Amino acid sequence: EAQVTQNPRYLITVTGKKLTVTCSQNMNHEYMSWYRQDPGLGLRQIYYSMNVEVTDKGDVPEGYKVSRKEKRNFPLILESPSPNQTSLYFCASSLNRGLDTQYFGPGTRLTVL
Amino acid sequence: GESVGLHLPTLSVQEGDNSIINCAYSNSASDYFIWYKQESGKGPQFIIDIRSNMDKRQGQRVTVLLNKTVKHLSLQIAATQPGDSAVYFCAENTNRDDKIIFGKGTRLHILP
Repeated sequence: EAQVTQNPRYLITVTGKKLTVTCSQNMNHEYMSWYRQDPGLGLRQIYYSMNVEVTDKGDVPEGYKVSRKEKRNFPLILESPSPNQTSLYFCASSLNRGLDTQYFGPGTRLTVL
Repeated sequence: GESVGLHLPTLSVQEGDNSIINCAYSNSASDYFIWYKQESGKGPQFIIDIRSNMDKRQGQRVTVLLNKTVKHLSLQIAATQPGDSAVYFCAENTNRDDKIIFGKGTRLHILP
C-alpha cells in the first residue's frame, strides 16, 4: 500500500532534549516536505527536499533540521526543542517537486514542556 | 507578502445543499492550486487540483473554479453529505520555487 509513515505519532518531551521525528514513503517520490499545523495558522512549510542530499528552507525553518540521505526517508530533527515548537507535524511527499499531488502522513503531535 | 487565505473560517451547510468554499491568493505568479480535505485526526487528503491555464475543473461531486483576474479560487461540493464534514485547505505553488503555501482552512459543518 502506498503510504507516508511518521513516528512517533505522539510525543511529550522537555525543553532542550533533542528529538527526531521520522518520515518514510514507499512511493519512490522525489519531493518530501515537513509542515507544522497550528490553530489559526494553518499548515506552514518547515523544510522541503527535492531529492537526495537536496534540502531547502520553507517558511518556518528556525529551530529545525532535516536530512535526506536516502530517497525514502526525511527525518525532522529538533536539536533543542522549545515550548513554541509544540504543534502537530505532518510529513508529505510527491512524485516531483511541489507541482504535484502531495500525500500526507498521519501526523505527529509534539508537546514540549 | 505572498499569502493564500480563506474568506470564511466556518461554513454551515444543510445536508443535500451545495457548498462553496472560497480562497484568495495574492501571488500572481502562482500557477498550480490544490484543494485538500482534512478530517479530524488525519492528515490532509488531496481533493482536486487546477493549473493556471484552466479556469474550471470538475471531479466527482467537486468543482474547482479559478479566477486569475481577481486571484480567487473556489471549491464547490454538490449535494453535501455528512462525510464532507472536514476542514478544507487551498494551497498554491509557483513555478519559480518549490515552496507550497497553504491557506488557513475553512471548517465545513453539515446541518442535518
